[in-house]
Amino acid sequence: QVKLVESGGGVVQPGTSRTLSCAASGFRFSTYAMHWVRQAPGKGLEWVAVVSYDGTKKYYADSVKGRFTISRDNSKTTIFLDMNSLRPEDTAVYFCALWAGSTGGGLDSWGQGTLVTVSS
Amino acid sequence: EIVLTQSPGPLSLSPGERVTLSCRASQTVANSHLAWYQQKPGQAPRLLIYGAYTRAPGIPDRFSGSGSGTDFTLTISRLEPEDFAVYYCQQYGSSDSYTFGPGTKVEI
Repeated sequence: QVKLVESGGGVVQPGTSRTLSCAASGFRFSTYAMHWVRQAPGKGLEWVAVVSYDGTKKYYADSVKGRFTISRDNSKTTIFLDMNSLRPEDTAVYFCALWAGSTGGGLDSWGQGTLVTVSS
Repeated sequence: EIVLTQSPGPLSLSPGERVTLSCRASQTVANSHLAWYQQKPGQAPRLLIYGAYTRAPGIPDRFSGSGSGTDFTLTISRLEPEDFAVYYCQQYGSSDSYTFGPGTKVEI
């Protein structure tokens, strides 16, 4: 079955960088787009970024454009989120999710998330 | 960017009741590319509906979706105790943006 495991969260200072990883297994990783979605404490879901199956297309939410970079390594079945110039408002649980792995649309598999806290 | 608004919550309901949640888009969602998710405290979201009305695998048939254009609904025909949660809609009509609505909490 599909398994997504995020790592890399922690407490970081404003203005610094952090890289999140999401290790995937249980499906043909190289054929599916992958997303990052975040959720600030007590708040709703916010879509962050998507990378196409081959890594050639990447799109971002306006709130992170120019600061965050999504990438993937199909040989390691892992996606990454490079986060730069972090702000307190980036504090959130970051989920990676699989797009339409067993459906015609939607994020149909999710990891359990990794918490990033941006604080001095 | 398409902005989604949802029914204001929380909605206080009882098991067995029928509930209809709304999701309205600021512009037409192309191809009715609209999904619904359920999220319980401390858990990742779960996909319920995609393409506005197609249930994801394993989702009970008491969940149904409808709508097109800018107005979409999620209906739960008879609330079960495990259905009390927060529900989010998400549009994916444009390939470069996948925005979520703010969510509606359904509580006992």
